[in-house]
Amino acid sequence: AQSVTQPDIHITVSEGASLELRCNYSYGATPYLFWYVQSPGQGLQLLLKYFSGDTLVQGIKGFEAEFKRSQSSFNLRKPSVHWSDAAEYFCAVGAANTGNQFYFGTGTSLTVIP
Amino acid sequence: GAGVSQSPSNKVTEKGKDVELRCDPISGHTALYWYRQSLGQGLEFLIYFQGNSAPDKSGLPSDRFSAERTGGSVSTLTIQRTQQEDSAVYLCASSPTAPAQYFGPGTRLLVL
Repeated sequence: AQSVTQPDIHITVSEGASLELRCNYSYGATPYLFWYVQSPGQGLQLLLKYFSGDTLVQGIKGFEAEFKRSQSSFNLRKPSVHWSDAAEYFCAVGAANTGNQFYFGTGTSLTVIP
Repeated sequence: GAGVSQSPSNKVTEKGKDVELRCDPISGHTALYWYRQSLGQGLEFLIYFQGNSAPDKSGLPSDRFSAERTGGSVSTLTIQRTQQEDSAVYLCASSPTAPAQYFGPGTRLLVL
């Protein structure tokens, strides 16, 4: 069955420190992979997406993610976290040719301490 | 505005009443999705529209929930005889032909 796992429910990092949020997926087809961020009281904003090609994907706000097929992972990284990055982060996987097959992880809540 | 818009942003209703939630997708996006997000939870898929095809209603939790999309654009999610467990944030997203979803700000529904 298709699924997305975000093993870390909550992460706390210091401002300026590096960040890595984990995402593992189980998907039968070639996956399309996404990271979204949700600030309190807001909708989800697309950070980055991977469809094909270079496995290291650059996104907005200084985020990047790396697709590792052998590990079924698509971890999100940022070299230096800012206080404004505090939010909920969702990983999602979709299919190449069907619109409704999107699966979201349960999210990772990020706290940034000064 | 170029983004997905949803209205109302907040809705408080009494148990047993009907509510309608509206979504205006990005112009030209052929696909439209509704999700429900309960407090501290991930996204629960509700329904999916793609062009003129029959919608995928497989995620609707009960027959009290329905949705329509008029003219391939605006969508309305209707919840009849609301229950307290319907309290959640209802998110709408639209998508162009490529499978990337763009979300609206959501409607926060509180059923008293």
